[in-house]
Amino acid sequence: DTAVSQTPKYLVTQMGNDKSIKCEQNLGHDTMYWYKQDSKKFLKIMFSYNNKELIINETVPNRFSPKSPDKAHLNLHINSLELGDSAVYFCASSQAVLSRAEAFFGQGTRLTVV
Amino acid sequence: RKEVEQDPGPFNVPEGATVAFNCTYSNSASQSFFWYRQDCRKEPKLLMSVYSSGNEDGRFTAQLNRASQYISLLIRDSKLSDSATYLCVVKAPGANNLFFGTGTRLTVIP
Repeated sequence: DTAVSQTPKYLVTQMGNDKSIKCEQNLGHDTMYWYKQDSKKFLKIMFSYNNKELIINETVPNRFSPKSPDKAHLNLHINSLELGDSAVYFCASSQAVLSRAEAFFGQGTRLTVV
Repeated sequence: RKEVEQDPGPFNVPEGATVAFNCTYSNSASQSFFWYRQDCRKEPKLLMSVYSSGNEDGRFTAQLNRASQYISLLIRDSKLSDSATYLCVVKAPGANNLFFGTGTRLTVIP
């Protein structure tokens, strides 16, 4: 019973392609996130989303778009993939109202753009 | 300036040693602080929250110094299984985002 699951775990694709990464959480949390971890292992917030508000990190290119069909899902769609998009992408969720809320992470999707 | 800054290490210590990690944060209005642990090729997981008065969980002790905007993690009697990257995490005030430091890599040597 994985709390936060994301698919695929590995994704290898060519430059210019469009791809999606799916994320689902069964914790009943009201906020979900996408983080990018680059080759230097730095985790950077891309988006946070609850059913009221989408917060976008301004440094994220608009080729990246989150899509949330319902409260338990937050998918990441990427258009026109570039070499620099290669990284590990982590989905996470939390019950964000509580200031001490723990964030639970998915296992990550290792994206390689060739 | 980054929201959270940590010494990336690596720290290589023998079993049984005591090791301390530090981090600083830039937003003085930050209210919530955490240490996460990330094993190689795995996702980050919460190790412990950091409370204003300091808190301890077994061999792990976390401290917060609001005046200096400084957080620390102390690990006593290091075990081989403590080898991992330790991430200092700060929750932005009024937002639902967690800001991560770059992580400090620890290797405990037999």
